[in-house]
Amino acid sequence: NAGVTQTPKFRVLKTGQSMTLLCAQDMNHEYMYWYRQDPGMGLRLIHYSVGEGTTAKGEVPDGYNVSRLKKQNFLLGLESAAPSQTSVYFCASSYMQGGQDFGPGTRLTVT
Amino acid sequence: ILNVEQSPQSLHVQEGDSTNFTCSFPSSNFYALHWYRWETAKSPEALFVMTLNGDEKKKGRISATLNTKEGYSYLYIKGSQPEDSATYLCALNAGGTSYGKLTFGQGTILTVHP
Repeated sequence: NAGVTQTPKFRVLKTGQSMTLLCAQDMNHEYMYWYRQDPGMGLRLIHYSVGEGTTAKGEVPDGYNVSRLKKQNFLLGLESAAPSQTSVYFCASSYMQGGQDFGPGTRLTVT
Repeated sequence: ILNVEQSPQSLHVQEGDSTNFTCSFPSSNFYALHWYRWETAKSPEALFVMTLNGDEKKKGRISATLNTKEGYSYLYIKGSQPEDSATYLCALNAGGTSYGKLTFGQGTILTVHP
């Protein structure tokens, strides 16, 4: 099993550009999550999904959109990137409310 | 917003020392308490998921206890090794309509010196 994978690993965007981060898991997990990690702020939940076709807002959802069209994929979109969105993004998945399996992270810089 | 606090923020110990850290959370909002280990340049790795008051879990030299009535959990490492150096995160699942949502603490950074 590949576990949780994230694409891309690194990305540099200019302010105003858009991009999509892809998360894929092969563990048949129902629940998937997107977090951002910033120095001194810990891990903060952006959006999450409890099943295919469902999404919900987390703690810091503004400026992001998500989609879960297939059970194994969870996409995070930035429509108009801002420097404040410079961060490391982690995707995670879990079987129901069990321990979460994390992806390797995507380092995003917005200039 | 739930307040999950961890102490200490950082800890330096010598190889072979035993150590412990604390995670505090609001006892009125509880479904499960998670512990994760996060090594530098890697992803968080789940250690334990604890749900019952008085729960005690063990994985090798690492163990954890849970007190839901007073709102705290302890993580213990017996005979610390340099490879135990990592950030240890706890996270609260408040249950109800929060589903699997976790609120993370800031973490305890452990450094084990050879």
